[in-house]
Amino acid sequence: AQTVTQSQPEMSVQEAETVTLSCTYDTSESNYYLFWYKQPPSRQMILVIRQEAYKQQNATENRFSVNFQKAAKSFSLKISDSQLGDTAMYFCAFSGAGSYQLTFGKGTKLSVIP
Amino acid sequence: DVKVTQSSRYLVKRTGEKVFLECVQDMDHENMFWYRQDPGLGLRLIYFSYDVKMKEKGDIPEGYSVSREKKERFSLILESASTNQTSMYLCASSLYRFDEQFFGPGTRLTVL
Repeated sequence: AQTVTQSQPEMSVQEAETVTLSCTYDTSESNYYLFWYKQPPSRQMILVIRQEAYKQQNATENRFSVNFQKAAKSFSLKISDSQLGDTAMYFCAFSGAGSYQLTFGKGTKLSVIP
Repeated sequence: DVKVTQSSRYLVKRTGEKVFLECVQDMDHENMFWYRQDPGLGLRLIYFSYDVKMKEKGDIPEGYSVSREKKERFSLILESASTNQTSMYLCASSLYRFDEQFFGPGTRLTVL
């Protein structure tokens, strides 16, 4: 069974600064997908960024980028130029290539401080 | 704009009651999911469905059942609610396996 570990239950960052959220996972599969989801307070969960394991290049979406280290089974999220609207719970998730299921980490609560 | 809706944002029920949570998606997605979200535990999959009338158990199916009679609708049923089922319930849908999942707003269920 796959496991996803987020070692930072809570983090804070000053507005306009950069912050990195950590995620490690455990799997024996060679092909899989990794995701970061964001859940703002009292709002719906949305996808931030997705990485396919067979792609060497790290995914980026505007101010959000990942550092995907396949050998180390690490998938961290970097948020640049943090904004107040980035305050949210962030969940790292894993999906095996043949699977319907997402396995989620326990989440990191990020607070952006003005 | 893609949309997943859930029948209630907040629900209060008594122990032993039968509870229905409804989820509807308008994206013609094949796959639908029910998760339970608890502080410090993240999201845990209860059941999912990859086609009409098809269902598969997730990680924590005990005490729950599901129904999918139409493609767009996926229901979670608590046959006899218990206090340890007090939680946030999230519904999601996706088009393909290992694809992005789109989430509903959640139902916060309290069982007294």
